[in-house]
Amino acid sequence: ILNVEQSPQSLHVQEGDSTNFTCSFPSSNFYALHWYRWETAKSPEALFVMTLNGDEKKKGRISATLNTKEGYSYLYIKGSQPEDSATYLCAFIRGSSNTGKLIFGQGTTLQVKP
Amino acid sequence: DTAVSQTPKYLVTQMGNDKSIKCEQNLGHDTMYWYKQDSKKFLKIMFSYNNKELIINETVPNRFSPKSPDKAHLNLHINSLELGDSAVYFCASSHVYRAEAFFGQGTRLTVV
Repeated sequence: ILNVEQSPQSLHVQEGDSTNFTCSFPSSNFYALHWYRWETAKSPEALFVMTLNGDEKKKGRISATLNTKEGYSYLYIKGSQPEDSATYLCAFIRGSSNTGKLIFGQGTTLQVKP
Repeated sequence: DTAVSQTPKYLVTQMGNDKSIKCEQNLGHDTMYWYKQDSKKFLKIMFSYNNKELIINETVPNRFSPKSPDKAHLNLHINSLELGDSAVYFCASSHVYRAEAFFGQGTRLTVV
């Protein structure tokens, strides 16, 4: 059974705070890791696709790092804004699985208070 | 233009009925998926098709049958609906297996 764990489950921060979340996944047989942003009443939207150990990706104020050897990825949000409020999902694709099967974590729900 | 579109958005039906959810993508992707959001809000894969060929078939009751008439469409047909089938179902597509997935807006199925 493959488990993808995300922490914390929920987070409340003030506007302007910087924050980070963790995604843990099996360190063996890595293929790819995805981060998605899921706003209420919308569908998940991809933030990053990460495939190499040591990968660092950035999109505006959001960035992510990847450590495939120890099985974790961090998502950072610098200077949180109310519009960053959403659930952030990570999803793991197992190596040798050329099927694109995404195994999702339960998500971290972020609330940014103005 | 909606990239991945599902219809209907809401579906309320009685136990025992048969229903279908349609999904279409206009992104030119080869791979399409059906995910179910369970009661704990997890997204769990049900099926994956690549170029109309079934690739993933998770442990899903036989009452669920995907149909892919062409690579832009992946429909989900559910026979003999049960109360436990109530959930939100998401269709998605991607260009290649590890590329980002594009999701539809979800179909909230309620079985009464």
